Amino acid sequence: KNQVEQSPQSLIILEGKNCTLQCNYTVSPFSNLRWYKQDTGRGPVSLTIMTFSENTKSNGRYTATLDADTKQSSLHITASQLSDSASYICVLNDYKLSFGAGTTVTVRA
Amino acid sequence: NAGVTQTPKFQVLKTGQSMTLQCAQDMNHEYMSWYRQDPGMGLRLIHYSVGAGITDQGEVPNGYNVSRSTTEDFPLRLLSAAPSQTSVYFCASSRGQGQETQYFGPGTRLLVL
Repeated sequence: KNQVEQSPQSLIILEGKNCTLQCNYTVSPFSNLRWYKQDTGRGPVSLTIMTFSENTKSNGRYTATLDADTKQSSLHITASQLSDSASYICVLNDYKLSFGAGTTVTVRA
Repeated sequence: NAGVTQTPKFQVLKTGQSMTLQCAQDMNHEYMSWYRQDPGMGLRLIHYSVGAGITDQGEVPNGYNVSRSTTEDFPLRLLSAAPSQTSVYFCASSRGQGQETQYFGPGTRLLVL
């Protein structure tokens, strides 16, 4: 069983709306947790990184949160834009990287 | 500064053929790695290197070889291609492991018939 599970698998939102992606993990504690954005046909690009003791980290309209009690991380996208259409991957680092399968976000005009 | 580059972008192979996927980085990173990405699954580590002359196996190394003769280059060799190796392959580099940010190449899409 993968140590990192993401949900939903995919979602469609209208431009300007907000959305939240979920990442559930089993390993605790860990060194850090990252969210990556992967545009179609490109490699992943790091959005945020949080250590085990951090609760939130922002990067522009992207805000990641971490709840160690529920072993969940969320990525919130505010005021979505067409360029946010991509896959978003949660990656846990407990000295070995565990990648989630990703959530594919489609933003429609 | 080109970052991480990969060639080719696309490749079609017949079962049993061999080939080398090229990866180069110009950031003087010590750590480089190869992943495969399959539908519905997370990226899986094939091989990695912590510096020139040093390589080690990842999660799914069977059927692949690597070498690291220079800091810049980290080629991945498929010895005898199988349909199960149809995938998208990503090379990544970072200054080190742990908290360091990994920079990914654009990927190589491989189809094995």
